[in-house]
Amino acid sequence: EIVLTQSPGTLSLSPGERATFSCRASRSVSGNYLAWFQQRPGQAPRLLIYGASSRATGVPDRFSGSGSGTDFTLTISRLEPEDFAVYSCQHYDTSSPLTFGQGTRLEIK
Amino acid sequence: EVHLLQSGGGLVQPGGSLRLSCEASGFSFSNYAMTWVRQAPGKGLEWLSAISPSANTRYHADAVRGRFSISRDNSKNTLYLQMDSLRAEDTAVYYCAKNLAEGLATYEYWGQGTLVTVSS
Repeated sequence: EIVLTQSPGTLSLSPGERATFSCRASRSVSGNYLAWFQQRPGQAPRLLIYGASSRATGVPDRFSGSGSGTDFTLTISRLEPEDFAVYSCQHYDTSSPLTFGQGTRLEIK
Repeated sequence: EVHLLQSGGGLVQPGGSLRLSCEASGFSFSNYAMTWVRQAPGKGLEWLSAISPSANTRYHADAVRGRFSISRDNSKNTLYLQMDSLRAEDTAVYYCAKNLAEGLATYEYWGQGTLVTVSS
């Protein structure tokens, strides 16, 4: 099983700042089959990024993904008030059971 | 517009059973693999089960294999999760989700979630 470890656990920032989230895999994720989700309290997850760097439909271009192999990053270039939420990564390399990271909470500083 | 409407959650005693349903609309249901994911209170997301478009292939996570069973009825555009021998640790919000595309097991559309509470 590929274990995904996200850091930091909590990120405290202000609107307008840049946010960077890390997702590290215990072994290489083939095909860059890595996705990022946003989840607000009481809501279902929202797909932001798939294929490590492709934005999902309707996702603003302030969200970007990068990385390959075992190290992946989600960046929000300039935080808006609605961006404060929990962010989770997921691998969908079907050579291994599908797993999610434990999540990073983005809170208002 | 894609919509996934879930039903069937609730309170059940340990050892009991529940069946969750997920009615799909707005897309060609029979062409997409579908998935169940859960989230225990205060915890991260956990992939549970997936089923191919024609239901000829099914996958379950180790945590639920032998107790949970995924199925679908393409004539009713509905996905199911039969949950037997429920345990306290199965308490969670359960989500159905539509696979992004063939061979891409990530999820652009999700149901609203349904709470399952296993307690005596």
